[in-house]
Amino acid sequence: GAVVSQHPSWVICKSGTSVKIECRSLDFQATTMFWYRQFPKQSLMLMATSNEGSKATYEQGVEKDKFLINHASLTLSTLTVTSAHPEDSSFYICSARDTGLYGYTFGSGTRLTVV
Amino acid sequence: QKEVEQNSGPLSVPEGAIASLNCTYSDRGSQSFFWYRQYSGKSPELIMFIYSNGDKEDGRFTAQLNKASQYVSLLIRDSQPSDSATYLCAVGGRAGNNRKLIWGLGTSLAVNP
Repeated sequence: GAVVSQHPSWVICKSGTSVKIECRSLDFQATTMFWYRQFPKQSLMLMATSNEGSKATYEQGVEKDKFLINHASLTLSTLTVTSAHPEDSSFYICSARDTGLYGYTFGSGTRLTVV
Repeated sequence: QKEVEQNSGPLSVPEGAIASLNCTYSDRGSQSFFWYRQYSGKSPELIMFIYSNGDKEDGRFTAQLNKASQYVSLLIRDSQPSDSATYLCAVGGRAGNNRKLIWGLGTSLAVNP
């Protein structure tokens, strides 16, 4: 089945630094990648939708200059949290769809802690 | 009115019973419907998808869709303690397109041994 590999699974960084999260589709081409954020005991919140080779579409209230998304190839999308602050601490998850299947596959998630 | 609504729960059922999870949606143009399970601290995993009115069965799981009533449900037969998780309902566009999913807030299910 479709697999999305997400790294790192957890990261701790200092306030003011940047963190990059990678998502790779291992056995299919992900023309579209969705990036979510989830705070404890809350539901998924879509941050942005990225399409290969074009600029990402950000949801209302999400700062595009803070959350940089790059989708340069059909198998790799990255999310960079720039100048991270403690309030950015959250669970970040990517998701993509294999057009040959019907479900959206999620990466395993990245737990970011900013200290 | 929220676009996708679920009872937050917690829904508590005894082991071996049937758990019934419900979801309503507001967009009549919705074409695809998904149920995901999420364990605490983990990412969601797909349980079932359904596109057509009626029932779809997969093992212990049955999804039911009624587009006229804008209602989709998930039945879990012979519930097991390992089924204890949050169940997320998601609604999307036509099969094959990459329209973003609209998510419910999830229903917490507890299966008691």
